[in-house]
Amino acid sequence: EAGVTQFPSHSVIEKGQTVTLRCDPISGHDNLYWYRRVMGKEIKFLLHFVKESKQDESGMPNNRFLAERTGGTYSTLKVQPAELEDSGVYFCASSQVGTYGYTFGSGTRLTVV
Amino acid sequence: GDSVTQMEGPVTLSEEAFLTINCTYTATGYPSLFWYVQYPGEGLQLLLKATKADDKGSNKGFEATYRKETTSFHLEKGSVQVSDSAVYFCALSPEQAGTALIFGKGTTLSVSS
Repeated sequence: EAGVTQFPSHSVIEKGQTVTLRCDPISGHDNLYWYRRVMGKEIKFLLHFVKESKQDESGMPNNRFLAERTGGTYSTLKVQPAELEDSGVYFCASSQVGTYGYTFGSGTRLTVV
Repeated sequence: GDSVTQMEGPVTLSEEAFLTINCTYTATGYPSLFWYVQYPGEGLQLLLKATKADDKGSNKGFEATYRKETTSFHLEKGSVQVSDSAVYFCALSPEQAGTALIFGKGTTLSVSS
């Protein structure tokens, strides 16, 4: 079984540019979550999809962040325009509905300079 | 709201030393508790979990017991190895399965030979 795949693994962009992160969950996992870890701090929840619907987006920091999950398969997280404080590691996780079996991807390390 | 507090790192140990990483939580109801590990260059991996009070999760020589009376889930290992060097995250999932995880700040463990 393929795991959760994220790409790119690393991205370095300039302040003001746009970046799109992608997450491919495990096939059949309707739950998809985005998290972010800023250097040295806790991993913070950003949002939760159930299939293509946003179940909870209370963790999204501001309207520069846009997440989509068209067709309930892969998801993208776009940051536009990027700011220095957006730097960190963005993790994606997926799970089957009703279970605690969260599987995480390897993360995308975003550096905004 | 719900939260997780972990001991601050880094933790530096010699091989075969005993490891304890403290984790306490604040939550309503009966959350499930997890330890995740991130090895260098890799994603988050589930190390162990416990879904109800007094449960003991164990894996790869690591153990943690869900103590509701002290709201704790301390991670222990009797004899660490160099290969255990990683960042360890304590996390909780509120009472309903599928709800997003809440993480602690992570504890970096460095084991030398």
